[in-house]
Amino acid sequence: DVKVTQSSRYLVKRTGEKVFLECVQDMDHENMFWYRQDPGLGLRLIYFSYDVKMKEKGDIPEGYSVSREKKERFSLILESASTNQTSMYLCASSLDTGVLVALHFGNGTRLTVT
Amino acid sequence: QKEVEQDPGPLSVPEGAIVSLNCTYSNSAFQYFMWYRQYSRKGPELLMYTYSSGNKEDGRFTAQVDKSSKYISLFIRDSQPSDSATYLCAMKSGTSYGKLTFGQGTILTVHP
Repeated sequence: DVKVTQSSRYLVKRTGEKVFLECVQDMDHENMFWYRQDPGLGLRLIYFSYDVKMKEKGDIPEGYSVSREKKERFSLILESASTNQTSMYLCASSLDTGVLVALHFGNGTRLTVT
Repeated sequence: QKEVEQDPGPLSVPEGAIVSLNCTYSNSAFQYFMWYRQYSRKGPELLMYTYSSGNKEDGRFTAQVDKSSKYISLFIRDSQPSDSATYLCAMKSGTSYGKLTFGQGTILTVHP
């Protein structure tokens, strides 16, 4: 089974802190994604990466950056955390970019910014 | 207007009921359609996918796509308490390089 592991289940940070969310996958997938999930808004794509050191902005990249130095690891960085970034963050990976995109998700990191 | 609209519910049904979950979309470029299921405190998992208009069946689940109306549905027959979860529709265009657009998710509870 594909395993996508997010390093923290719950995280509490203060406004202005720099925050790192880590994600590791064990299936040699080329593509990795960061989404945030908010009630009433569903999943929104922040950034994705289709190769090592390659990244693309998603729909809501403002206030975030990413790092992918190794194929299996994709990090989401909040440069200066703000209260409106309180959310559930979901990392995903996938092998296909064609017809079927079967995203394999981690169990999420619930981030609270106070 | 969101590209994908999904009634968030919540939806509560008795065990054995037929459940209908629906999404509408506005982007004609969407060609591939998926349903993900998300249990509480877990990440979403792929349930079904299809890329053509019509029906696709998998056990108690049927995915239906009507591209002319820009409308997709997921039907669950003989619903079980274990079906209680959030159901998310997701869509992709042919050129979106793996990027999915999700609906808001519908919270479903099946009570015994």
